[in-house]
Amino acid sequence: SYVLAQPPSVAVAPGQTATVTCGGPNIGSKSVHWYQQKPGQAPVLVIFNDGARPLGIPERFSGSKSGSAASLTINRVEAGDEADYYCQVSDTGRIFGGGTRLTV
Amino acid sequence: QVQLVESGGGVVQPGRSLRLSCAASGLKVSAYAMHWVRQAPGKGLEWVARISRDGITTDYGDSVTGRITISRDTSKNMVYLQMSGLKTDDTAVYYCAGDRGGGPLDDWGKGTLVTVSS
Repeated sequence: SYVLAQPPSVAVAPGQTATVTCGGPNIGSKSVHWYQQKPGQAPVLVIFNDGARPLGIPERFSGSKSGSAASLTINRVEAGDEADYYCQVSDTGRIFGGGTRLTV
Repeated sequence: QVQLVESGGGVVQPGRSLRLSCAASGLKVSAYAMHWVRQAPGKGLEWVARISRDGITTDYGDSVTGRITISRDTSKNMVYLQMSGLKTDDTAVYYCAGDRGGGPLDDWGKGTLVTVSS
């Protein structure tokens, strides 16, 4: 079955840029979506179709894809961005990456 | 405003059955594909099941195939997850999620906790 690989953790200082990667076979041919999940809360969609932002998501959040990996970039990181981030693609059903804990 | 409210979770013994419900408002389940996603304690997200927008097609994750059935009642605007032969590994928060267009899961409920334990 299809597997998405994410680093378990990323740490960044406030005001800096955080990048979370997501790798998988032929990911270039799939649309990648990203979710933010804060402790005790449901996931929230922050990026869809590789780089589009839902309404209400700050412009500091952006997504891109290159080669065999997709990336979520958060500019000017704030303390409130501390959360788990998951990438997701559609395959047979929906596939989630293992998640990355962003520590600010 | 879209709201999805899950219910039906609780403590259940291994081997027993449980039905989860998801009440939708602000969206029509007949216009969305609807999913269930679960999260075991301290673990990541795992996709469980999907029912298509037309209600005809259902898909299931490998770990639950044969034990779980997703269904919906468009007259009540509800989605259900019938689980049988529950195992301790099924212990998780179960989220209901709506999918407008076949890719991302746009809207999520707050989840309901299922604990499988003797």
